[in-house]
Amino acid sequence: LAKTTQPISMDSYEGQEVNITCSHNNIATNDYITWYQQFPSQGPRFIIQGYKTKVTNEVASLFIPADRKSSTLSLPRVSLSDTAVYYCLVGERGTGRRALTFGSGTRLQVQP
Amino acid sequence: SQTIHQWPATLVQPVGSPLSLECTVEGTSNPNLYWYRQAAGRGLQLLFYSVGIGQISSEVPQNLSASRPQDRQFILSSKKLLLSDSGFYLCAWSGQGETQYFGPGTRLLVL
Repeated sequence: LAKTTQPISMDSYEGQEVNITCSHNNIATNDYITWYQQFPSQGPRFIIQGYKTKVTNEVASLFIPADRKSSTLSLPRVSLSDTAVYYCLVGERGTGRRALTFGSGTRLQVQP
Repeated sequence: SQTIHQWPATLVQPVGSPLSLECTVEGTSNPNLYWYRQAAGRGLQLLFYSVGIGQISSEVPQNLSASRPQDRQFILSSKKLLLSDSGFYLCAWSGQGETQYFGPGTRLLVL
């Protein structure tokens, strides 16, 4: 599985846009990029997944450049409730058997 | 819709005692099932995954074992707990895609 590198922590204020970048230099051709969010004492929650270019849903946007060696999770207008740990994962889609490798994630702290 | 349950939510056990954590999934058939452990302030470590009844793959050697007696039931066990077994245990399931859906977790404290 491709290794990912994320900032350990980030700080922001309510109403700001937050961009969290993840590096995955060894991403394979069949790999997808997935982001999860985890609140304290809860299991991670799926946020968004993409392969290339841009993906947007009601929660976030995911930007993936042409070389796919990195990706950026964009959270528009964060609120206090977005304070959480965000994990970037890379893995092959469709097998379901490939174990996801969670790194330490990025701890986002949103201030009022 | 699919739901995943774990129990108990919290458990305090003495060193050397046995362990049994249960995970069940509703609303789907033949899911892939996973057990993860998360130490305080750390990422998740995959312990076991299963692609079908009786099929268990272990990711790391350890004091724990897993079983899947039914299609939507996944059990994590230990015969004798160690202090190092303390942590937050998460069960997850996935379908055909890569996305995994996590349960609420069990916080285990071994004293």
